[in-house]
Amino acid sequence: EPEVTQTPSHQVTQMGQEVILRCVPISNHLYFYWYRQILGQKVEFLVSFYNNEISEKSEIFDDQFSVERPDGSNFTLKIRSTKLEDSAMYFCASSPTAYTEAFFGQGTRLTVV
Amino acid sequence: TQLLEQSPQFLSIQEGENLTVYCNSSSVFSSLQWYRQEPGEGPVLLVTVVTGGEVKKLKRLTFQFGDARKDSSLHITAAQPGDTGLYLCAADSGGGADGLTFGKGTHLIIQP
Repeated sequence: EPEVTQTPSHQVTQMGQEVILRCVPISNHLYFYWYRQILGQKVEFLVSFYNNEISEKSEIFDDQFSVERPDGSNFTLKIRSTKLEDSAMYFCASSPTAYTEAFFGQGTRLTVV
Repeated sequence: TQLLEQSPQFLSIQEGENLTVYCNSSSVFSSLQWYRQEPGEGPVLLVTVVTGGEVKKLKRLTFQFGDARKDSSLHITAAQPGDTGLYLCAADSGGGADGLTFGKGTHLIIQP
């Protein structure tokens, strides 16, 4: 069964460093998303991406964040200068259309020290 | 900001019992999804409900979308230890590629 894959599963980085989280969405899906979940809190929407541009972003997705689809299969989230409060699980998701259900990856646990 | 309130927050019952968990909001949604999340893993989609009053069944799980499309419930019949997990509801306001709004979830424990 097709699935969304994310790498790495766990990333530890020092405060102020840049990190890139990678995702391979399901191959025939057109809409891609990033969500985050701080430990013990609810899943929060960060950004949606369609047709090589951002469709929607939340207040969390400030200038420190960027997304890119560098090739036909990968979808990345970059955090330019990580802060301690960026520590969270980051989930990538994809959906075939805008109005259908999203399928989530296993997540990347980001720890900023 | 749309809020999804899930209740109860925690539920621990014996194997074989029935249970219902709820997802409520003051907002109207174009669709609502139920996910199950295991510790350290991503949410896994269980079902999507779209039409007001819609009822969907997935084996022992019954999902209902309220007539006004503001609330939903998940009923589990004859709960089993394998049903243990975090159940999340998430809603889409219908803005196309808008992200989902998630509730905080119901932590369900089924004791053998």
